[in-house]
Amino acid sequence: AQSVTQLGSHVSVSEGALVLLRCNYSSSVPPYLFWYVQYPNQGLQLLLKYTSAATLVKGINGFEAEFKKSETSFHLTKPSAHMSDAAEYFCAVSKKTSYDKVIFGPGTSLSVIP
Amino acid sequence: DTAVSQTPKYLVTQMGNDKSIKCEQNLGHDTMYWYKQDSKKFLKIMFSYNNKELIINETVPNRFSPKSPDKAHLNLHINSLELGDSAVYFCASSDRQVSGYTFGSGTRLTVV
Repeated sequence: AQSVTQLGSHVSVSEGALVLLRCNYSSSVPPYLFWYVQYPNQGLQLLLKYTSAATLVKGINGFEAEFKKSETSFHLTKPSAHMSDAAEYFCAVSKKTSYDKVIFGPGTSLSVIP
Repeated sequence: DTAVSQTPKYLVTQMGNDKSIKCEQNLGHDTMYWYKQDSKKFLKIMFSYNNKELIINETVPNRFSPKSPDKAHLNLHINSLELGDSAVYFCASSDRQVSGYTFGSGTRLTVV
């Protein structure tokens, strides 16, 4: 069975500081990996995805993530936090088979301090 | 144009009532999903339809019944609502597994 863990249910960073949100996955087969962002009272929006091409994936809003198979990790980073980055972030995994469900991690709430 | 739209956005109802949530997508996607997000923000898949065919049916009480009249619509009907059904329900769609999901803005269901 696939699963996702996100270390730190809540992360606080200062505006302009590095953002690092951690994600580790468990999968018996090579997975697809995703990061989604959820702003208050909104649905989830896809930030970026790993689909077995480049291991360093760039997404929207200046975010990127690196797939490390040896560490089963897919951590999300952004060099400089902006106030508008404050949101809930979800890492997710699915198998590379049609119609397989996406399993979401428990989420990390990011706060940005002015 | 909203890609995945859900109605209603808010739903407050009494225990024991029956209610429906509607979802429509105009992206031409073949697959649609219902997810439940609890008060701790945890997301759990409930159902998935591909071209009107049920393909994922997680362990969900049979009080919940999805219906897909066509590939652009996926509705969720809930019978005999319970306090524990209070949550935010998200509809999503995708065209291929590799593309990820497009989510609706959610329906906040409160059972009192």
